[in-house]
This record gives sequence, structure tokens and C-alpha cells, in this order.
Amino acid sequence: SQKIEQNSEALNIQEGKTATLTCNYTNYSPAYLQWYRQDPGRGPVFLLLIRENEKEKRKERLKVTFDTTLKQSLFHITASQPADSATYLCAPGSSNTGKLIFGQGTTLQVKP
Amino acid sequence: DGGITQSPKYLFRKEGQNVTLSCEQNLNHDAMYWYRQDPGQGLRLIYYSQIVNDFQKGDIAEGYSVSREKKESFPLTVTSAQKNPTAFYLCASSGQVGAGNQPQHFGDGTRLSIL
Repeated sequence: SQKIEQNSEALNIQEGKTATLTCNYTNYSPAYLQWYRQDPGRGPVFLLLIRENEKEKRKERLKVTFDTTLKQSLFHITASQPADSATYLCAPGSSNTGKLIFGQGTTLQVKP
Repeated sequence: DGGITQSPKYLFRKEGQNVTLSCEQNLNHDAMYWYRQDPGQGLRLIYYSQIVNDFQKGDIAEGYSVSREKKESFPLTVTSAQKNPTAFYLCASSGQVGAGNQPQHFGDGTRLSIL
């Protein structure tokens, strides 16, 4: 069955450093992959989308890579700030169905 | 402001009772979704709808029912057949299912607990 894996352990980093979050998938060939941010008690908020024919996508301090050979996406936050502390969800999607499969999320804590 | 409104924020269910969670959107989106989120797990799809008067089962539809009589509204009923309903329920919408790679817009969820 299709499986999406994100680091289950929280990632703790110092303010100003780069945070790198990993999303691995198996038994799946997604046409695209989305990343969301979720704060406690709130719904996820869309951040970035990357397509299978794109290697890298950037938006301000965010960068996403998509390696279809490794079946992996990396999500980077540069110059991290305490306000970046949240849970980040990856969600590969199929162009056939338009449905997303969500990973369990990785919690990021940025310490001042 | 355009967005998705879920209500109530907290809901309690008694044994044998059906409860209905509300989801309304004013984004003019065609597609709407219901997810369940449990601690340490990803969002799991319950039901989704691509157009009015049409909906499909997701991965965990047993014990749930939905309707889509209006484009703006997609209520979810948690029936007494759902034996483990305690969870955080999220509603989302997107431009169109099948159009691919469209971001989903989420409400702020309803937390359902058993009395």
C-alpha cells in the first residue's frame, strides 16, 4: 500500500539556522507534492507545490526539492525564526484522482 | 474574507447518538473533502465531493455519511456505527478534484469527543 513517511521525532534548531525536513514515499508515483504548515488546534495551511518534472521550488525563505528516483522530498527553511515553529505536513498527489495522501507531519521547534 | 468555516469547534457525542459537523465555504470551489486527524497520524480521507449532489468514499468512510446539496456546504454525520469517533475533523476545499495539483484550503477543525 502507499506509504508516506516523515520524521516522527521533533526537530529542534537554533534561530537563524536552516531547518531541513524529509518526506519519503513508497509504492507511489505522485505527479506532484504539496507541503503544508499546521499550528496546534488549527487546520493546515498550504505552503508550496512542486511537480514531478521540477527539481526545486523556492518561495521566500522556503525551498522544496523533489527527487523521483529517491522517492523523496526535502523541505528547507533558511534563516529560521521562532515563528516558524509548527508541524509541517507533506502530501503527495495523483494527477489522476487529484487526491492527496498526507504524511503524519514533523514538528519543528526554533529556539531563540 | 473568503474561507472555510467549520462548526462547532468542540462537540461531544453520547453513546448511540449521531452528530453532524458543519462545513461551509465561500471560495466558489467545486471540490470539498473531509479528513480525520488522530495524534501522531496523518490526515485520513473520509469522503470527498467533486460537484453538487455527488460524493465518493475515501479511505475510512465506514461509520460516516455526507451530503452535498449546495456547492457551499458539505456536512459530515458521524453515526453511532463509528465506534471510535474521538478525533480532530478537518474540512477542506479546492478548485476541482481531478484538475490536479491544486492546493487545499482547510477550516480550523472540529474536535469530537465521547461523553
